[in-house]
Amino acid sequence: DARVTQTPRHKVTEMGQEVTMRCQPILGHNTVFWYRQTMMQGLELLAYFRNRAPLDDSGMPKDRFSAEMPDATLATLKIQPSEPRDSAVYFCASGPSTFLAGYNFGPGTRLLVL
Amino acid sequence: AQTVTQSQPEMSVQEAETVTLSCTYDTSENNYYLFWYKQPPSRQMILVIRQEAYKQQNATENRFSVNFQKAAKSFSLKISDSQLGDTAMYFCAFMRVTGTYKYIFGTGTRLKVLA
Repeated sequence: DARVTQTPRHKVTEMGQEVTMRCQPILGHNTVFWYRQTMMQGLELLAYFRNRAPLDDSGMPKDRFSAEMPDATLATLKIQPSEPRDSAVYFCASGPSTFLAGYNFGPGTRLLVL
Repeated sequence: AQTVTQSQPEMSVQEAETVTLSCTYDTSENNYYLFWYKQPPSRQMILVIRQEAYKQQNATENRFSVNFQKAAKSFSLKISDSQLGDTAMYFCAFMRVTGTYKYIFGTGTRLKVLA
């Protein structure tokens, strides 16, 4: 049963530190998303890749966030410097080009910035 | 811009009963996809059911079915024979078939199934 994997599952860090979250999409999926979930804002789209190319990162604070796909098996989301308001659960999701199949979500990275 | 509204922040249902979660959306598109996702306490997002807008027939997946009313822009989820394992947050999601194919999520409905 193929799954999206994310590491780390939990991260506690201090304000100002760099945070890197990693995602391994399901093999063969060419679409990758990063979503952030908070109580106040719900699920927000941060970045979107298709065939490793970034297509939409309009929801991502550009001054501190960056997202990349160095290869088809790895997507990264980096926060530098981190702030307490970045505390959230960050989900990676991947999907095939047949969009009705829906996207598979990873288990999320729970980030706490002190 | 598309919006998705889930007007019921919380609901409860007795085990074995039926419950319906509501979802409305706003779009000028004619073709799109709609989804319901379940998020149990583990926080894993699980796809429950999907619907193509150009298909009039309502989707069903075992105990889960939808009532899709395109003209009313309504997409409700019916859970029959509710089970304790159905306790979760339920999110409605809209996706265009052009552009970025991203999900627009509603704010969620927290469902509690009571023993």
